[in-house]
Amino acid sequence: DSGVTQTPKHLITATGQRVTLRCSPRSGDLSVYWYQQSLDQGLQFLIQYYNGEERAKGNILERFSAQQFPDLHSELNLSSLELGDSALYFCASAVWGDTDTQYFGPGTRLTVL
Amino acid sequence: GQQVMQIPQYQHVQEGEDFTTYCNSSTTLSNIQWYKQRPGGHPVFLIQLVKSGEVKKQKRLTFQFGEAKKNSSLHITATQTTDVGTYFCAGPRGSQGNLIFGKGTKLSVKP
Repeated sequence: DSGVTQTPKHLITATGQRVTLRCSPRSGDLSVYWYQQSLDQGLQFLIQYYNGEERAKGNILERFSAQQFPDLHSELNLSSLELGDSALYFCASAVWGDTDTQYFGPGTRLTVL
Repeated sequence: GQQVMQIPQYQHVQEGEDFTTYCNSSTTLSNIQWYKQRPGGHPVFLIQLVKSGEVKKQKRLTFQFGEAKKNSSLHITATQTTDVGTYFCAGPRGSQGNLIFGKGTKLSVKP
């Protein structure tokens, strides 16, 4: 158990809909990262937050947004969902960020029908 | 842009055989990390290498960081079925302060 929690575990929705994925980092970790992993694909970095502020952006679509709240939990919002958005979404946390070791949550499996 | 490449993409071995995955970066890295993702699981940190030419061992796993700090390898001796999974290397992403992951090497082990 990494100490990072993600909810929900599974999410099934329809095209055009909007969903919110939630992540609670390990106690004491200030950085949260979001990754997308499609079938048999690597980890696509989406976005990083550090202590409530956006720190770095990766290949995140404009339809996707995220935020980190004062209690350091983070939410990833995916809107106007398309079939191709079906994937595993991982959240990871790290103490500071930079090149710290990242601790991954169990992931949310999103299926868009 | 900066790239981290891993080969091979897939490797199928008989239990007891050795396995090696290679990681190559387009830029010099200050450090490199290795993660393992079991089937149906999430990536789990294995190790970090920092020094040029560094070699670290974890039981049957040997990790190496190249002299030029642009490549790394993970070698597993006498694979077991518990070694099944995808092995990712990751290095610092330029000045952005986060990691760039390779696409991973998926290892399957036939008992």
